[in-house]
Amino acid sequence: QSVLTQPPSASGTPGQRVTISCSGSSSNIGSNTVNWYQQLPGTAPKLLIYSNNQRPSGVPDRFSGSKSGTSASLAISGLQSEDEADYYCAAWDDSLNGRFGGGTKLTVL
Amino acid sequence: EVQLVESGGGLVQPGGSLRLSCAASGFTFSSYWMSWVRQAPGKGLEWVANIKQDGSEKYYVDSVKGRFTISRDNAKNSLYLQMNSLRAEDTAVYYCAREVDSSSWMAFDIWGQGTMVTVSS
Repeated sequence: QSVLTQPPSASGTPGQRVTISCSGSSSNIGSNTVNWYQQLPGTAPKLLIYSNNQRPSGVPDRFSGSKSGTSASLAISGLQSEDEADYYCAAWDDSLNGRFGGGTKLTVL
Repeated sequence: EVQLVESGGGLVQPGGSLRLSCAASGFTFSSYWMSWVRQAPGKGLEWVANIKQDGSEKYYVDSVKGRFTISRDNAKNSLYLQMNSLRAEDTAVYYCAREVDSSSWMAFDIWGQGTMVTVSS
């Protein structure tokens, strides 16, 4: 299993706020910044959040990130049907390895 | 337009070799750390390797150390991944990706479309 732990699934209804967690350790999240990706089926991942809470240009402010200690969270407010996708957290590890979480499949009910 | 285009994927027998290429355009390639990330069919993302702007630093995931080599040619705006002693578990879509900046490790703002590598007899 992945060094960064995410719930395998999450769900919400349109307009709702959902959060996805990412748990790591002192060698990765605890000492390095966290990034979040969205992946739609059959496409390359898209950077949603970098450096814990920064949004690249073009990413709606419905998406936000936070980090505390060895855990991080991605929050999506005003959930929309097009948000249905796989979400991954990522962080560098002091063992000189890049780490991704196992991914969370978000379903919009 | 800023883009990355991978090539070189295909079907290879176990123990064989393959060289992936990634052509960059629309940005100053030599200014960025670059990485390879792979995704096995139906599975999650796995970071494979990265390389510093001038090629002086390279890091690899443990499972490919000694078998894969990442390199770059800044004059040709190209990134490479030489894959030797391939195993069935290396079967995946391989993406090249650009890091946002030198202080944001694992923050990839530009991705290629991916190239499929299948290791099978």
